Amino acid sequence: KQEVTQIPAALSVPEGENLVLNCSFTDSAIYNLQWFRQDPGKGLTSLLLIQSSQREQTSGRLNASLDKSSGRSTLYIAASQPGDSATYLCAVNTNAGKSTFGDGTTLTVKP
Amino acid sequence: GAGVSQSPSNKVTEKGKDVELRCDPISGHTALYWYRQSLGQGLEFLIYFQGNSAPDKSGLPSDRFSAERTGGSVSTLTIQRTQQEDSAVYLCASSMTGWETEAFFGQGTRLTVV
Repeated sequence: KQEVTQIPAALSVPEGENLVLNCSFTDSAIYNLQWFRQDPGKGLTSLLLIQSSQREQTSGRLNASLDKSSGRSTLYIAASQPGDSATYLCAVNTNAGKSTFGDGTTLTVKP
Repeated sequence: GAGVSQSPSNKVTEKGKDVELRCDPISGHTALYWYRQSLGQGLEFLIYFQGNSAPDKSGLPSDRFSAERTGGSVSTLTIQRTQQEDSAVYLCASSMTGWETEAFFGQGTRLTVV
């Protein structure tokens, strides 16, 4: 059974800092891994999707990496802004055809 | 439509009543998923529809839960004889062809059973 762990559970940083969020998974037989952000009381917004054959994806200030063999992904946020404050979730889609979500990292960026 | 649409956005119901939650996926997306997010817990997979294939119902927590997808588009999640532990946010997502493609979520339906 796939298990997805996100560390840390919460993170508070001053505006302008670069930061890294971590996601680890136990079953390396994955289709892909997707990072989302969720604002309070809202649905999930897709940030980046990395296919199993890819090592990283970039979108603006966001960079996500994938190391399938070690079961890890990181989401790097450059020059953080207060508007980046949200819960960040990673979801792993396995070859068995199921999406498993981590519990998320709640990020607070202080002005 | 432009995004995944869910209705209602909020639903308060009395214990024991039935409720129906609706999801309208992105036009052209053949895959549709339902998840549940309870307070303080992560997302829990409920059910997955892909084209004309039999749905993957392995995540449904009890036989009080059922879902349909009519015409390969709109989906309805039905909860019969609601219980207080059913209170949660129910999220729907769709993707182009399945698990291997990017999933897009709706804003969710917040269900409160009183």
